[in-house]
Amino acid sequence: AQSVTQLDSHVSVSEGTPVLLRCNYSSSYSPSLFWYVQHPNKGLQLLLKYTSAATLVKGINGFEAEFKKSETSFHLTKPSAHMSDAAEYFCVVSDLGGFKTIFGAGTRLFVKA
Amino acid sequence: NAGVTQTPKFQVLKTGQSMTLQCAQDMNHEYMSWYRQDPGMGLRLIHYSVGAGITDQGEVPNGYNVSRSTTEDFPLRLLSAAPSQTSVYFCASSYSLGQPQHFGDGTRLSIL
Repeated sequence: AQSVTQLDSHVSVSEGTPVLLRCNYSSSYSPSLFWYVQHPNKGLQLLLKYTSAATLVKGINGFEAEFKKSETSFHLTKPSAHMSDAAEYFCVVSDLGGFKTIFGAGTRLFVKA
Repeated sequence: NAGVTQTPKFQVLKTGQSMTLQCAQDMNHEYMSWYRQDPGMGLRLIHYSVGAGITDQGEVPNGYNVSRSTTEDFPLRLLSAAPSQTSVYFCASSYSLGQPQHFGDGTRLSIL
């Protein structure tokens, strides 16, 4: 069975400081992992995806994530937060063996001026 | 290129009423899915389809029906609406399972 745990429901950072959003997963098979962002009253937009080609994945808007199999983690980072990064972020695992996609509960990112 | 289109954007129903949420995609994607989003729970999979004529249940299928007669369309039917179905519903599509999904803007549904 697969599952996703986002370790923080809320994260608050100051503009210009680093962002770390944490995600742990479990999967019976080699998973595909994604991060999506959702701005208020909008649908979800893909930030980045991991599909076993490289453990460090670069996405849009300066975000990146590192796949660590030994820790079953896929944390999302950004070196310097911008006000426009304030949104909700979802870690997602897609399990080919299970034919299903599981979303984490989400982490809301607040960016202070 | 419209992507994934959901209609309506907002809807208020009374308990017991039925309705269909529409979803259409113009990307020739095989995989389509319906999610509901509730505060603090992320998105939960209701039903999904891996191609025309093929559907299966997700995590929370009770009270919902789907069909997939064409590649483009994947409607979600509420047979007898209940207040517990008040939520934001998202339709998504992808080229295949395991590929990034494209999401619609959602349907905000309130059941009184």
